Amino acid sequence: AQSVTQLGSHVSVSEGALVLLRCNYSSSVPPYLFWYVQYPNQGLQLLLKYTTGATLVKGINGFEAEFKKSETSFHLTKPSAHMSDAAEYFCAVRTGTGGFKTIFGAGTRLFVKA
Amino acid sequence: EADIYQTPRYLVIGTGKKITLECSQTMGHDKMYWYQQDPGMELHLIHYSYGVNSTEKGDLSSESTVSRIRTEHFPLTLESARPSHTSQYLCASSDLGTGNNSPLHFGNGTRLTVT
Repeated sequence: AQSVTQLGSHVSVSEGALVLLRCNYSSSVPPYLFWYVQYPNQGLQLLLKYTTGATLVKGINGFEAEFKKSETSFHLTKPSAHMSDAAEYFCAVRTGTGGFKTIFGAGTRLFVKA
Repeated sequence: EADIYQTPRYLVIGTGKKITLECSQTMGHDKMYWYQQDPGMELHLIHYSYGVNSTEKGDLSSESTVSRIRTEHFPLTLESARPSHTSQYLCASSDLGTGNNSPLHFGNGTRLTVT
């Protein structure tokens, strides 16, 4: 069965500092992986998605994620945090089985301090 | 700008009332979904649809029902609202014709409060 674990329900960084949001997945078959962002009172927006064969995936707003199969991880990073990055971030996994359903992690709320 | 629309954005209603949450998308996507979201929790899939006249229950048991009479429309109905139904409901769609890594497109959600 698929599952997604996001380490840390809250992460706080200073403006300009590195952002690292952790995601580990479990899947019996090669997964399709996604990061979504949710701003207050809005739905989720796609940040980036894993493409087979790539280890480093670039997304919008300067975010990127590294796929490490050996560690079953898909951590999200951004070199320099901006105040506008404050939001909730969700890691998600989908496999070709199970009707193509997408399973989400519990989310990590990112706080950015001035 | 979202191509998937949910109404109402906010709804406060008394116990026992029947409610319908509307969801429409203009992208022609075959697959549509309803997720329930509570603070600090993962999104839980409560219903999904592969296309017209197709509906399935998701992983989280829900007393709500859905219908899919038209491709673009996927309303969710609660026959008798209860305080335990208080939550945020997110509608989404996807186009699997573009591959298994096609993302979900979300509406802005309906925040339901049952008093």
